[in-house]
Amino acid sequence: EAQVTQNPRYLITVTGKKLTVTCSQNMNHEYMSWYRQDPGLGLRQIYYSMNVEVTDKGDVPEGYKVSRKEKRNFPLILESPSPNQTSLYFCASSLLGEPNYGYTFGSGTRLTVV
Amino acid sequence: AQSVAQPEDQVNVAEGNPLTVKCTYSVSGNPYLFWYVQYPNRGLQFLLKYITGDNLVKGSYGFEAEFNKSQTSFHLKKPSALVSDSALYFCAVSGNNNDMRFGAGTRLTVKP
Repeated sequence: EAQVTQNPRYLITVTGKKLTVTCSQNMNHEYMSWYRQDPGLGLRQIYYSMNVEVTDKGDVPEGYKVSRKEKRNFPLILESPSPNQTSLYFCASSLLGEPNYGYTFGSGTRLTVV
Repeated sequence: AQSVAQPEDQVNVAEGNPLTVKCTYSVSGNPYLFWYVQYPNRGLQFLLKYITGDNLVKGSYGFEAEFNKSQTSFHLKKPSALVSDSALYFCAVSGNNNDMRFGAGTRLTVKP
């Protein structure tokens, strides 16, 4: 089944403790992206990647890192999480150069930083 | 850069009545417009899209959307709402660079 898999689904952590949210897709998509969803703000893009070893900042990149060592994986790294990063996170993938294709989304990761 | 506005935070309708969820967009060049739905504790699911062709687009679960170029709108509609349609709906616009922008979302509540 074609899908985007995120782990974990739920995570509670403490301020400053490094964490990684994994994202993997099995559709051979070049384009991958991370979003955070907050009430009243919709989805805001954190980082995106157009291919292996190519990553770029989105609208809200502060406090986040990503890497794209393999085409299928696009982990989101919070080196020193803070409470304002408490949010619902989504990974998405798409075919590059096919804006009409749309995105396939993961099921989301609900992160709470205390 | 492209952008999307969903002017209503909340839409309430009675079951069996028609529903409309509004969306307006801004983009340079041809717009690629999408509607996604999010059920509680789930990711976003694709509903429908407009790329080119007929202004009325039909999608999943009986939803349709009308593209209006002069009003830069892409409103989501359904002739007869179901309680199970209650969810959070997102309008999105994509440019030629795969960069998709989402609206803030509209919570649809359908009451029995």
